[in-house]
Amino acid sequence: DADVTQTPRNRITKTGKRIMLECSQTKGHDRMYWYRQDPGLGLRLIYYSFDVKDINKGEISDGYSVSRQAQAKFSLSLESAIPNQTALYFCATSDLNHDAGELFFGEGSRLTVL
Amino acid sequence: GNSVTQMEGPVTLSEEAFLTINCTYTATGYPSLFWYVQYPGEGLQLLLKATKADDKGSNKGFEATYRKETTSFHLEKGSVQVSDSAVYFCALSDNYGQNFVFGPGTRLSVLP
Repeated sequence: DADVTQTPRNRITKTGKRIMLECSQTKGHDRMYWYRQDPGLGLRLIYYSFDVKDINKGEISDGYSVSRQAQAKFSLSLESAIPNQTALYFCATSDLNHDAGELFFGEGSRLTVL
Repeated sequence: GNSVTQMEGPVTLSEEAFLTINCTYTATGYPSLFWYVQYPGEGLQLLLKATKADDKGSNKGFEATYRKETTSFHLEKGSVQVSDSAVYFCALSDNYGQNFVFGPGTRLSVLP
């Protein structure tokens, strides 16, 4: 089983719908992240959390919200989806005390907003 | 702020050719440097890393050396294979591991 699991892997929805992407990890890491990948733009950080009580905005947080339900779970919500949120979304984890803060990624959730 | 610049692709090579993907960075302090690889339909996975100046990271025949004097971390492989076809991302994290910055990615296609 994957150490970082994302659900759903693919989702097609309509403009204005609420969408939640979920991420769970078995690595025991405190830090969790949500990134968005668009062609030619690399990965951009949406939100990150360094522990259960800590939530921080990344560079492109507008239109998104997150919830850190437990150390192992970090969900991303789009309250009212719009077409330019069509992208590939990645959850990642890290542990500052190991591996130079290396990020470990899930397999991605492809979201299409019509 | 910190930033990463890498050569634009796509890069197309024949099997057994030599590969270089250039990466330069701007950062304060002493960042750690990474190369991640994304195979088709998959998430990113760490290819190699270096945490201080003059360190060489290596894995699967790929190498990159942390050059502080030129602020570079170029990825090289002496003989690429078709299975190396993927998107390669250069990245850095600051010395506290708090800010991870990615380059835009370079798509590599290796033809048989």
